[in-house]
Amino acid sequence: EVQLEESGGGLVQPGGSLRLSCAASGFTFSSNWMSWVRQAPGKGLEWVANIKQDGSDKYYVDSVKGRFTISRDNAKNSLFLQMNSLRAEDTAVYYCARGGGTISYWGLGTLVTVSS
Amino acid sequence: EIVLTQSPATLPLSPGEGATLSCRASQSVSSSLAWYQQKPGQAPRLLIYDASNRATGIPARFSGSGSGTDFTLTISSLEPEDFAVYYCQQRSTWPFTFGQGTRLEIK
Repeated sequence: EVQLEESGGGLVQPGGSLRLSCAASGFTFSSNWMSWVRQAPGKGLEWVANIKQDGSDKYYVDSVKGRFTISRDNAKNSLFLQMNSLRAEDTAVYYCARGGGTISYWGLGTLVTVSS
Repeated sequence: EIVLTQSPATLPLSPGEGATLSCRASQSVSSSLAWYQQKPGQAPRLLIYDASNRATGIPARFSGSGSGTDFTLTISSLEPEDFAVYYCQQRSTWPFTFGQGTRLEIK
């Protein structure tokens, strides 16, 4: 059974940093593109970033470029999102997702709240 | 950025009725379009990929069609568990984008 479990969310002040983690199991992690997708409270979905199987290619939505970094550790079946210079508009549930273009599986999400 | 516009925003229907949800792209996405279902408090679930292919485990009452800029998700006969929000999403051009969603509600 495919499982994606996010962690690392929480309350952070504007300008602060957080690192999200995603533990993957039930599939060959190293063979899949992986992504982070977010959803602001009561709003729609926004693709944040994705990363190729070996980490050699990464793509970011413009609103997070230069502030967020996606990475992975295939030996530990883990996906990460380092978020710096956080803004109020980054407040959302962040989903770890399997896939680089079509998402076949989603985690349950972790809530990030940016507020003073 | 490719903008996906979904219509209607809200669709009130009764169980047993058929539903037709639309998604229009601001430029051609070929067949690189997916549909997801999201229920309150849950993560989205993939229904349809590449415009017309049902994902694993998705009932046959769900079908997708279209190419280029106009796409349709059809639910042939609504079951109580189908009332949810539906999103389309394109993977033709980065950044990949989602529509704003159609809320399917019980009339």
